[in-house]
Amino acid sequence: EAGVVQSPRYKIIEKKQPVAFWCNPISGHNTLYWYRQNLGQGPELLIRYENEEAVDDSQLPKDRFSAERLKGVDSTLKIQPAELGDSAVYLCASSSTGTTSGNTIYFGEGSWLTVV
Amino acid sequence: SQKIEQNSEALNIQEGKTATLTCNYTNYSPAYLQWYRQDPGRGPVFLLLIRENEKEKRKERLKVTFDTTLKQSLFHITASQPADSATYLCAGGGGYNKLIFGAGTRLAVHP
Repeated sequence: EAGVVQSPRYKIIEKKQPVAFWCNPISGHNTLYWYRQNLGQGPELLIRYENEEAVDDSQLPKDRFSAERLKGVDSTLKIQPAELGDSAVYLCASSSTGTTSGNTIYFGEGSWLTVV
Repeated sequence: SQKIEQNSEALNIQEGKTATLTCNYTNYSPAYLQWYRQDPGRGPVFLLLIRENEKEKRKERLKVTFDTTLKQSLFHITASQPADSATYLCAGGGGYNKLIFGAGTRLAVHP
């Protein structure tokens, strides 16, 4: 069974440029998450989807970040314009349902963003 | 604010010894705690889950405890091997589908 697939794996952009990350979750997983992980820190939730509905986006900086999950499968996360402080690893994850009952979250390998 | 705190200092141990990592939670009571392993350049991989009504959970060489009085979880790796070297993340979950991660503790097992 394929895991969570993310692309690109690495991206270097200049500040003020746009960038987009793509995620394909594990087949059949209704819940999709985008996390951001800064160097030396744990992952922090940006947005959580239940099917195609964003049910928790309280930590998403909405002035420059946007996300979508069309048809409840793949998802994209966009940053426009990027700032130096956005340099981090963007992790996509999925689970069969939400985490209230302790369902396992499966992470992708991450998209490493460097803003110069 | 709700926090999961892990020892930020790396843990260095000799092969064959037991590694013990600590996770403390503050300002909330997670219904469960999860432990993940993260290798450099890779995403976290789930290892174990323990619920608040469970004292201890085991899986092969791994053991996790949950002490609601101390607000702490301990993660043990017995008979450690150099291949166990990685960063281990603790995460607390429960209400509102929130999973809060600690910063992780890096473990280095030396031959």
